Amino acid sequence: AQTVTQSQPEMSVQEAETVTLSCTYDTSESDYYLFWYKQPPSRQMILVIRQEAYKQQNATENRFSVNFQKAAKSFSLKISDSQLGDAAMYFCAYSTDKLIFGTGTRLQVFP
Amino acid sequence: DAGVIQSPRHEVTEMGQEVTLRCKPISGHDYLFWYRQTMMRGLELLIYFNNNVPIDDSGMPEDRFSAKMPNASFSTLKIQPSEPRDSAVYFCASSLVPGNYGYTFGSGTRLTVV
Repeated sequence: AQTVTQSQPEMSVQEAETVTLSCTYDTSESDYYLFWYKQPPSRQMILVIRQEAYKQQNATENRFSVNFQKAAKSFSLKISDSQLGDAAMYFCAYSTDKLIFGTGTRLQVFP
Repeated sequence: DAGVIQSPRHEVTEMGQEVTLRCKPISGHDYLFWYRQTMMRGLELLIYFNNNVPIDDSGMPEDRFSAKMPNASFSTLKIQPSEPRDSAVYFCASSLVPGNYGYTFGSGTRLTVV
């Protein structure tokens, strides 16, 4: 069965600095998708970034980028120039058809 | 498009009562998913539908839970009878092509069973 592991329950970063959230997954599939979702206190699940496993190039979305290491089954999220509004729970997720989530990392941003 | 619409946003009910949660997916999305979020277990997939047909219900915790999708624009998740351990946030999500186009989540229903 596919599993997603986020080993950092909590992380903190100073405003304007860079932080990296870790994620590893386990699968025997060769074709799949990986996601990072943000969940602020409003509880809305917001898609941050998406990566296709068949693409070697790492996805980027403005201040958010990933380091996708397929052989290592690693998918970390880097947030550059952190802002107060980035404070939230961040979930890594894996998908072929259904979306499987990790346990989440709570990110605090300090001014 | 208004996105995925869930109702109610909050529900408080007494143990033993029937609870029905509702979801309207994004028009044209063929896949619909129900998730449950708790502190202890995180985000769990309960069931998902493709073209209104249940594909995988292995996450449904027990027979007290049932889900239906009578048409492409409406789904329900029912708990009968409800128990305090069912207290959680229940999310509905829809997708055009899972993975390829991502998943859009509703705002969730916070269920409290007292």
